[in-house]
Amino acid sequence: NAGVTQTPKFQVLKTGQSMTLQCAQDMNHNSMYWYRQDPGMGLRLIYYSASEGTTDKGEVPNGYNVSRLNKREFSLRLESAAPSQTSVYFCASSLLAGELLWQYFGPGTRLTVT
Amino acid sequence: DAKTTQPPSMDCAEGRAANLPCNHSTISGNEYVYWYRQIHSQGPQYIIHGLKNNETNEMASLIITEDRKSSTLILPHATLRDTAVYYCIVRVFQGGSEKLVFGKGTKLTVNP
Repeated sequence: NAGVTQTPKFQVLKTGQSMTLQCAQDMNHNSMYWYRQDPGMGLRLIYYSASEGTTDKGEVPNGYNVSRLNKREFSLRLESAAPSQTSVYFCASSLLAGELLWQYFGPGTRLTVT
Repeated sequence: DAKTTQPPSMDCAEGRAANLPCNHSTISGNEYVYWYRQIHSQGPQYIIHGLKNNETNEMASLIITEDRKSSTLILPHATLRDTAVYYCIVRVFQGGSEKLVFGKGTKLTVNP
């Protein structure tokens, strides 16, 4: 199993450009998440999807949109990139088994907006 | 709302035990405590979880106080590769979904 995969690994954008970050998981998990992590900071939740066809805002959703294309894939779109969106973006998926929540992370996408 | 409190940083000598504390005073009776770590901007990695009893696996031990308001992650023989940010997390139920909310964690530096 590949687990959680993300593309691209690195990206440089100019202010105002748009792009989509891709995420896929092969563990048949219902829930998927997008986080951002700024230097020296913890992870902040951007959007999450509890199941296929549903998405909800997290802590910092402004400037982003998401699509839960199917159970495997959850994409994050920046419509008009801003320097404040320079960050490392992590995708995650989770499995709820009884009272336990197992969360698995991708390797991250390092985005720089100039 | 991370629901947990951790010191921002700690140091440990290589080969010694690293004890990382966490306060979770508002934890509910059936909520697990999870520990993850993040090595140098990689994706966070699961370490261990616990409910009431102390737990041990190949990576670490978790000691939970009897009142469940705090816990300590123990790395028994820290190595340089254990230098990472360690997150103590309690599950949050929000908007119809279960989530793990990550705070800033504790940056552990293992020194030679």
